[in-house]
Amino acid sequence: EVQLLESGGGLVQPGGSLRLSCAASGFIFTNYAMSWVRQAPGKGLEWVSGISGSGVSAYYADSVKGRFTISRDNSKNTLYLQMNSLRAEDTAVYYCARYASGTYYSYFDPWGLGTLVTVSS
Amino acid sequence: EIVMTQSPATLSVSPGERATLSCRASQSVSSNLAWYQQKPGQAPRLLIYGASTRATGIPARFSGSGSGTEYALTISSLQSEDFAVYYCQQYNNWPPYTFGQGTKVEIK
Repeated sequence: EVQLLESGGGLVQPGGSLRLSCAASGFIFTNYAMSWVRQAPGKGLEWVSGISGSGVSAYYADSVKGRFTISRDNSKNTLYLQMNSLRAEDTAVYYCARYASGTYYSYFDPWGLGTLVTVSS
Repeated sequence: EIVMTQSPATLSVSPGERATLSCRASQSVSSNLAWYQQKPGQAPRLLIYGASTRATGIPARFSGSGSGTEYALTISSLQSEDFAVYYCQQYNNWPPYTFGQGTKVEIK
């Protein structure tokens, strides 16, 4: 069974940093591009970032470019999101999701349960 | 960036009735469109991809249609477990991948 389990969320002050992790199991991790999608409280879904299976290429939403860095450790089957210079508007549940076909030309399936990041003083 | 617009924002339906949700793209997404269901406190679940292909394990009462810029999700006979928020998402032009703002299907 394919499983994605996020961790690392919590309360952080504006301007602070946080690193999220997503542990993957049940599939050949290196064969799939992976992504982060977030959802602010009571709001819709916003794609944040994606990374290729090899980790060589990555893409970001304009709202996080220059502040967030996506990476992966294929030896540990783990996806990361390093979030710096956090703002109140970054407060959201962050979901890890797999590109279903393995490449960027794809929808997302499955999704992890999410981890809540709260940016507040 | 492709803007996805869903309508209506809220749909009130009685159990057993048919529900049709709409999703419009600001430019053609060439059927590279997915639908997700999200229940309170849960992660989104893939329902439909390629505009009309049901994902594994999705009941036949869910169907997707459309092309170009206009798409629809139809639930033929609403069950109690179908009351949720539904999102469309395009994966034709990226980055960014974009979602609609969601349609909430509530009990009438």
